[in-house]
Amino acid sequence: GQNIDQPTEMTATEGAIVQINCTYQTSGFNGLFWYQQHAGEAPTFLSYNVLDGLEEKGRFSSFLSRSKGYSYLLLKELQMKDSASYLCAVRDSNYQLIWGAGTKLIIKP
Amino acid sequence: IAGITQAPTSQILAAGRRMTLRCTQDMRHNAMYWYRQDLGLGLRLIHYSNTAGTTGKGEVPDGYSVSRANTDDFPLTLASAVPSQTSVYFCASSDKTTGELFFGEGSRLTVL
Repeated sequence: GQNIDQPTEMTATEGAIVQINCTYQTSGFNGLFWYQQHAGEAPTFLSYNVLDGLEEKGRFSSFLSRSKGYSYLLLKELQMKDSASYLCAVRDSNYQLIWGAGTKLIIKP
Repeated sequence: IAGITQAPTSQILAAGRRMTLRCTQDMRHNAMYWYRQDLGLGLRLIHYSNTAGTTGKGEVPDGYSVSRANTDDFPLTLASAVPSQTSVYFCASSDKTTGELFFGEGSRLTVL
């Protein structure tokens, strides 16, 4: 079966750095997405990785290792507004998105 | 720019009733999707449409139907609602080039 694993919840301190991991087992691979979802709101796009390596976009970076079935989202200089759920999704061989259950990130002052 | 509009934003209905969730996009995206999101579970695909006039079943299609008469509209119908269909429903469309999904604000449905 297809599976995406992420930690359920993480806590970090304002101003610090946090890494959210995602491991996947899917039938084929055509890219990995990270989305941010604030409570009661719709998911919004953060990043897309299709090749191995690090993609940096401001305070957020996303890393992919296809051979290991592994990705992480790195958030730097954490702000209170970064408190949200972070969703990892993999596009499989049929170009359908398989979603993880999301990681709830709690930022403390 | 509206993006994707869903209606209603929230609804309570009795089991056995018929309900249609509306979804309209103004981005001219070919592909559209309906997901449900339940606590502790990832987004689960109900139905999708790759282009106007075509639809397909996702991971959890039972009890739901969709239609795609034109590019902009993609309504989701529950023919006879059951309590297990209590959920938050998200409509989405995707950019052909990047595959990025754009989501509506969601419809919170409670079936009693």
